[in-house]
Amino acid sequence: NAGVTQTPKFQVLKTGQSMTLQCAQDMNHNSMYWYRQDPGMGLRLIYYSASEGTTDKGEVPNGYNVSRLNKREFSLRLESAAPSQTSVYFCASSERRGHNSGNTIYFGEGSWLTVV
Amino acid sequence: AQSVSQHNHHVILSEAASLELGCNYSYGGTVNLFWYVQYPGQHLQLLLKYFSGDPLVKGIKGFEAEFIKSKFSFNLRKPSVQWSDTAEYFCAVNGYDMRFGAGTRLTVKP
Repeated sequence: NAGVTQTPKFQVLKTGQSMTLQCAQDMNHNSMYWYRQDPGMGLRLIYYSASEGTTDKGEVPNGYNVSRLNKREFSLRLESAAPSQTSVYFCASSERRGHNSGNTIYFGEGSWLTVV
Repeated sequence: AQSVSQHNHHVILSEAASLELGCNYSYGGTVNLFWYVQYPGQHLQLLLKYFSGDPLVKGIKGFEAEFIKSKFSFNLRKPSVQWSDTAEYFCAVNGYDMRFGAGTRLTVKP
């Protein structure tokens, strides 16, 4: 049971470089999410995709773009990385978005990104 | 706006002590409530969740939480902690969107 798989696990970037974080889930979930985790701030939602073909901004979308490639895959792109984007990034998925019964969010193992 | 507050940033306990971690949220509509745990170097794992029914919910590893609607609270409890409970604990509220608290780091001394 792979669940939510994200790559890479670790990455060091120089300021201004671009990169894409990949995420895939095998639970046939409709909704997928990208969060960043910073000390003392918990998890903050960057972008989400409520269903295949749709994407929307979360709390902290600036500096990021996303693509919902298909039902399984949801990628996060940093076009021009900045030191403020140094963080741990978590991809997650759920059966559907919103306060519906059974809407537990499942997380990937995280991607540690450092921008120097 | 929807928000989640966790009262304690860092809690230090000795083994066998009782634990209660506070969580309050602000949201006027129906919510689902969660506690997640993150062990060092690992991803978040679900401890327990409340959707409806009995406001006292039991989760894995002896944890429980009580939803008090009038207080907008969902506090996490465990009668007797173990060293292996050392981790960071996140309260989450799913109203319009899933929102997480800032987390409480629990250190259990052997």
